[in-house]
Amino acid sequence: AQRVTQPEKLLSVFKGAPVELKCNYSYSGSPELFWYVQYSRQRLQLLLRHISRESIKGFTADLNKGETSFHLKKPFAQEEDSAMYYCALTSGTYKYIFGTGTRLKVLA
Amino acid sequence: DVKVTQSSRYLVKRTGEKVFLECVQDMDHENMFWYRQDPGLGLRLIYFSYDVKMKEKGDIPEGYSVSREKKERFSLILESASTNQTSMYLCAAGGGPGTEAFFGQGTRLTVV
Repeated sequence: AQRVTQPEKLLSVFKGAPVELKCNYSYSGSPELFWYVQYSRQRLQLLLRHISRESIKGFTADLNKGETSFHLKKPFAQEEDSAMYYCALTSGTYKYIFGTGTRLKVLA
Repeated sequence: DVKVTQSSRYLVKRTGEKVFLECVQDMDHENMFWYRQDPGLGLRLIYFSYDVKMKEKGDIPEGYSVSREKKERFSLILESASTNQTSMYLCAAGGGPGTEAFFGQGTRLTVV
């Protein structure tokens, strides 16, 4: 079955510390992986996708097919990074499958 | 540049009522989705539609139905609202596998 797993419900780090939000997936084909973010009182929005190999707001994510992981990383956390983060994949049948989410709190 | 709009931010309904949640997109996307967002459970897919009048069940369709009569509008219907349907409902539109999904602002439904 297609599944996205985010093992941490809450991650607290201090400002300036490195951040890693974990995401593992199970999918039999070639997945398209994404990270979405939801800031307080805002709508859910795309942060980045693996196919673009881009860095957005200092965040990067590398698809590791051997470990079936797509962890989100940032070397120096900022207070404005505090938000809810969801890892997601798309399957060949149009569906977007989301993980349970990780709340990131960046402490001053 | 709002792309996906849900008709209500907050709704309070009584048990047993028929509830309609409306969603409109202005991006001409083929695919539209209804998710339910609950703490600790993430986003769970209720139904999705890949074309007008076409729909497929998601992971938790029980107690819900949908309607898509026009490409830009996708409605979620709670046939007989129950308290366990109290939740945040998110509508999304997307172009298909590998493309970005655009979300509405969400409707927080409380069933009393």
